[in-house]
Amino acid sequence: SYELTQSPSVSVSPGQTASITCSGDKLGNKYACWYQQKPGQSPVLVIYQNSKRPSGIPERFSGSNSGNSATLTISGTQAMDEADYYCQAWDSSIVVFGGGTKLSVL
Amino acid sequence: QVQLVESGAEVKKPGASVKVTCKASGFTFTAYYIHWVRQAPGQGVEWMGWININNGATNYAQKFQGRVTMTRDTSLSTGYMELSRLRSDDTAVYYCARDLITMVRGVDGMDVWGQGTTVTVSS
Repeated sequence: SYELTQSPSVSVSPGQTASITCSGDKLGNKYACWYQQKPGQSPVLVIYQNSKRPSGIPERFSGSNSGNSATLTISGTQAMDEADYYCQAWDSSIVVFGGGTKLSVL
Repeated sequence: QVQLVESGAEVKKPGASVKVTCKASGFTFTAYYIHWVRQAPGQGVEWMGWININNGATNYAQKFQGRVTMTRDTSLSTGYMELSRLRSDDTAVYYCARDLITMVRGVDGMDVWGQGTTVTVSS
């Protein structure tokens, strides 16, 4: 079965750039999405179609996807960006989520 | 406004079944898949399956096949997820989320989520 792998945690200082990666076999041939989840809340879509931002998502969130990896980049990270982030893709008719990355803004 | 509203929390005994509802409003229900995603306490999110609201087709994660049933009532703009033979490790928050039906799957992502339904399985 298809798997997406994420690092469990990433730390970043306020104002710096955070990069969260998601790895999967030929992931670049699929569309990757990213979700942000804060404690006690439902996930929120922050990136779809590899690099597009839904309305209302700040410009500091960006995404890329090629080869075997997709990356979520948060530029000028703010304290409010501290959350869990999940990548997601379809593999044929199945949906797969990564295990999630906890972003700490220290 | 565009929203998915889920039914309230449930407490079930092992071996029982639970049915969670997901009522849609503010958008064309039949243009979407509804996914069901769960999250056990302190764990990541886990995809359970989807239902194509337009034609009723379903696809379930292998882990849940034989135990999960997803249905919909388009007249009520409501989706349902029933999980049977509950075990203690089914204790989780269950979410529904919409995903636009397109020629290429996965293009648009799950852009609206329900508030989650807590299901507790305990004897």
